[in-house]
Amino acid sequence: EIVLTQSPGTLSLSPGERATLSCRASQSVSSSYLAWYQQKPGQAPRLLIYGASSRATGIPDRFSGSGSGTDFTLTISRLEPEDFAVYYCQQYGSSPVTFGQGTKVEIK
Amino acid sequence: EVQLVESGGGLVQPGRSLRLSCTASGFTFGDYAMSWVRQAPGKGLEWVGFIRSKAYGGTTEYAASVKGRFTISRDDSKSIAYLQMNSLKTEDTAVYYCTRDREAFDIWGQGTMVTVSS
Repeated sequence: EIVLTQSPGTLSLSPGERATLSCRASQSVSSSYLAWYQQKPGQAPRLLIYGASSRATGIPDRFSGSGSGTDFTLTISRLEPEDFAVYYCQQYGSSPVTFGQGTKVEIK
Repeated sequence: EVQLVESGGGLVQPGRSLRLSCTASGFTFGDYAMSWVRQAPGKGLEWVGFIRSKAYGGTTEYAASVKGRFTISRDDSKSIAYLQMNSLKTEDTAVYYCTRDREAFDIWGQGTMVTVSS
């Protein structure tokens, strides 16, 4: 099983600032099958990024993903008020599918 | 509108069974694999299992924590995926989401709460 470790656990930032979230895998993620999701309280997760760097439909271009192998990054270039949420990475290249434990982006 | 709607959640005693349904609309359900993901209260996301489309054999895979107790099936004629949960444990208490499995999990339902308690 591929274990995903996200850091930091919590990121305290102000609107307009840049957010950089990390996801490290215990072994190489097959074909960059790495995704990022955003979840707000009481809501289902929403797909942001798939294939490590492709934005899902309707996702603003302030969200970008990068990385390969075992190290991946989600960057939010300028935080908007609606971006404060929990973010999860996921690998779906090998079974079982696994998720990271999440990074909470909170308002400073 | 592409949509998934879960139903069937509720309060159930340990050791009992429950079946969840996921009704799809707005897309050709039979063309896609479908996954179930759960989230215990205040916790992160946990993949439960998935079912491939009939074109890929309609086979299933499960997380170790539910293998042998949970079964995923599908009825493409009704655009419904099912999660049959047997021998439920208190640690199965969670919101259960169904998701469309395409380029990661691109569509999610709103979730249905399952509480396992005596």
